Amino acid sequence: EVQLVESGGGLIQPGGSLRLSCAASGFTVSSNYMSWVRQAPGKGLEWVSVIYSGGSTYYADSVKGRFTIFRDNSKNTLYLQMNSLRAEDTAVYYCARGTEPGIRDYWGQGTLVTVSS
Amino acid sequence: QPVLTQSSSASASLGSSVKLTCTLSSGHSNYIIAWHQQQPGKAPRYLMKLEGSGSYNKGSGVPDRFSGSSSGADRYLTISNLQSEDEADYYCETWDSNTHGVFGGGTKLTVL
Repeated sequence: EVQLVESGGGLIQPGGSLRLSCAASGFTVSSNYMSWVRQAPGKGLEWVSVIYSGGSTYYADSVKGRFTIFRDNSKNTLYLQMNSLRAEDTAVYYCARGTEPGIRDYWGQGTLVTVSS
Repeated sequence: QPVLTQSSSASASLGSSVKLTCTLSSGHSNYIIAWHQQQPGKAPRYLMKLEGSGSYNKGSGVPDRFSGSSSGADRYLTISNLQSEDEADYYCETWDSNTHGVFGGGTKLTVL
């Protein structure tokens, strides 16, 4: 059974850093397209970042240069390192698996990140 | 980059059918999309992949009541025999080599 479990969210001050984790089971992270998608309170879904099976990484313009997506194959876990956080980064962050680009066929339950002083 | 346009809301009666629309921007009418369902307070759930030809592949466990179709730049999600648990937000999504991920604004479906 495919499962994705996010962790690492919380309350952080503007300018701070946070690392989100997404522990996967039932499949191999490194063999799939793994993404982070976020949802601000009361808003729609926003794609944040993706890492391809080959290791290429891509980011939304809103987070480029501040966020880094990476994976630990030995732990079968996906990460999102978030630096220089802003109030507008406040959202529930979901990790999602894709068997091809843009087809996110399994989602985690999400972790809430709140950026506030 | 592609843009996806969805109506903000839709409603239909219990037991009836509803057809939700996702429209691709000019120049992107042949793009493949995905439909996702998000019930209140829950994570999104993948429903299906839908091609411009109208061919679709559903995710694991998605009921037969859910189907997809296409016409030009429009991608449709049809839900038959509406149930109370179908009341949710529905998002379409696409991507390309430059964008990697684009979501529509979502349609809030109310089951009357």
